[in-house]
Amino acid sequence: QKEVEQNSGPLSVPEGAIASLNCTYSDRGSQSFFWYRQYSGKSPELIMSIYSNGDKEDGRFTAQLNKASQYVSLLIRDSQPSDSATYLCAVNIGYNTDKLIFGTGTRLQVFP
Amino acid sequence: DAGVIQSPRHEVTEMGQEVTLRCKPISGHDYLFWYRQTMMRGLELLIYFNNNVPIDDSGMPEDRFSAKMPNASFSTLKIQPSEPRDSAVYFCASRVGAGELFFGEGSRLTVL
Repeated sequence: QKEVEQNSGPLSVPEGAIASLNCTYSDRGSQSFFWYRQYSGKSPELIMSIYSNGDKEDGRFTAQLNKASQYVSLLIRDSQPSDSATYLCAVNIGYNTDKLIFGTGTRLQVFP
Repeated sequence: DAGVIQSPRHEVTEMGQEVTLRCKPISGHDYLFWYRQTMMRGLELLIYFNNNVPIDDSGMPEDRFSAKMPNASFSTLKIQPSEPRDSAVYFCASRVGAGELFFGEGSRLTVL
């Protein structure tokens, strides 16, 4: 089992819709979770971090964490064509560690 | 601040040659990570340092790969001898403590 798993996509949504991106992780002790966005040919950039169970909202983005199910998700409301990118889930694997492992990413396409 | 600086941006070399990738982290950052990204395997953690000390190198593919961090402002990733399967984009990233991870622009390596 991979340490951090994501569906590779592509996930295609129409402009204005909600895009839902999912991620599961293997280590129950993991405490820190991140979503990065990577445009083609560019380096990843942080969108959100989440550390506690529940939802965390930042503008059009909402991160959701369920440690019991070892599941973290990212919702993008009112999707825009400029949101088209690969979204990478990253997890500090294990309890109280600094080892940051990335999933392979989900490619999101938002069409007008 | 100029951000994480990597060099070279592009390198094309022949199989068997030595390759050295360089990274200058953001000043004041105490963690430095080296990742490799390919279409097939995504973003893989190779090694990371804390206060110039290697903490986990379990992701280094084999003995052909080595990394050093002689001081807080410089790190190298060396591949000797290089092979075509080493072709990838190599990212260096740095952060302060458990904070946001900042990526360099990457070094695209092609081994013929």
